[in-house]
Amino acid sequence: AQKVTQAQTEISVVEKEDVTLDCVYETRDTTYYLFWYKQPPSGELVFLIRRNSFDEQNEISGRYSWNFQKSTSSFNFTITASQVVDSAVYFCALTLSGGSYIPTFGRGTSLIVHP
Amino acid sequence: KAGVTQTPRYLIKTRGQQVTLSCSPISGHRSVSWYQQTPGQGLQFLFEYFSETQRNKGNFPGRFSGRQFSNSRSEMNVSTLELGDSALYLCASSLAIYSEQGDEQYFGPGTRLTVT
Repeated sequence: AQKVTQAQTEISVVEKEDVTLDCVYETRDTTYYLFWYKQPPSGELVFLIRRNSFDEQNEISGRYSWNFQKSTSSFNFTITASQVVDSAVYFCALTLSGGSYIPTFGRGTSLIVHP
Repeated sequence: KAGVTQTPRYLIKTRGQQVTLSCSPISGHRSVSWYQQTPGQGLQFLFEYFSETQRNKGNFPGRFSGRQFSNSRSEMNVSTLELGDSALYLCASSLAIYSEQGDEQYFGPGTRLTVT
């Protein structure tokens, strides 16, 4: 069975600081997909990024960047120059390709950005 | 394009009652999934519907059921409510044109269910 671990329950930073959210996953499958979602106080999860297991290229989107390393089974998310609007709960998730589609979510990391 | 909508947004029920929650996916999306979110258990997958068929099911008792209609709208039902069913129930839709397992999901705002 697969597992996603987000060891950081809560992170508190001051605006403009850089922050990295950790995600470690476990699966025996060689083909899988990793996701990050953001859940603001309104409750609606918002898709941020998807990465398949064959694509280890890091990705940057504005102030957001993602570092995927199969060797350490990690898919970390960095926010550069954090802003108050980044305050939310961030979830890392894993789904397998083919077969039963039952996504596994981490417990989430609550990010609080203080002005 | 309208997002995923869920009704009602808030619901208070009594133990033993049953409840039906509704979800309207984004137009054109064929897959609808349901999740239960609680502080204790986090985000847990309930089931997924694709073309009116339940394609996948999470580890929940039979009291939790769902269905999908021909227009992709979905409902989930919980019978014989228990206190532990109090949670935020989230619905998500995805395009699933090729039944691609890696589709990103678009979530609704959720239904906050309180069981007293």
